[in-house]
Amino acid sequence: GQNIDQPTEMTATEGAIVQINCTYQTSGFNGLFWYQQHAGEAPTFLSYNVLDGLEEKGRFSSFLSRSKGYSYLLLKELQMKDSASYLCAVMDSNYQLIWGAGTKLIIKP
Amino acid sequence: NAGVTQTPKFRVLKTGQSMTLLCAQDMNHEYMYWYRQDPGMGLRLIHYSVGEGTTAKGEVPDGYNVSRLKKQNFLLGLESAAPSQTSVYFCASSPDGTSPNEQFFGPGTRLTVL
Repeated sequence: GQNIDQPTEMTATEGAIVQINCTYQTSGFNGLFWYQQHAGEAPTFLSYNVLDGLEEKGRFSSFLSRSKGYSYLLLKELQMKDSASYLCAVMDSNYQLIWGAGTKLIIKP
Repeated sequence: NAGVTQTPKFRVLKTGQSMTLLCAQDMNHEYMYWYRQDPGMGLRLIHYSVGEGTTAKGEVPDGYNVSRLKKQNFLLGLESAAPSQTSVYFCASSPDGTSPNEQFFGPGTRLTVL
């Protein structure tokens, strides 16, 4: 079966750095996405990786290792507005997104 | 541009009632999707469409029907609602279905079935 695993909840301090991990087992791989979802709102796109390595976009970076079935999202200089759920999703061989349950990130002052 | 819009935002149904959720997008996207989101679970694909007049089943299609008569609209129908269909429903669209085109989401519909 297809499976995406990520921690249920993480806590970090304002101004710090946090890394959210995602491991996956899917039938085929056509890219990995990270989305941010604030409580009661729609998911919004953060990043995309299809090749191994690090993609940097401002305070956010995403890393992919296809051989290990592993990705992480790195958030730097945390702000209170970063409190949200972070969803990992993999596009499978049918070009459909398989979603993890999300990691709820709590930022403390 | 409004992006992806959904109506209604909230709805309460009694078991056995029917309803239709409407999704509209103004980005001229080919692909559209209906997901449900339940606590502790990832988004699950109900049905999707790869273009006007087409529909296909996703991971959890039972109890739902869809139609895509116009490119910009994707309707999700519940013919006889059940309490297990209490969920938050998200519509999404993408330019096409291939990577890396991201999916754009609507604001969601919170449905409660009593």
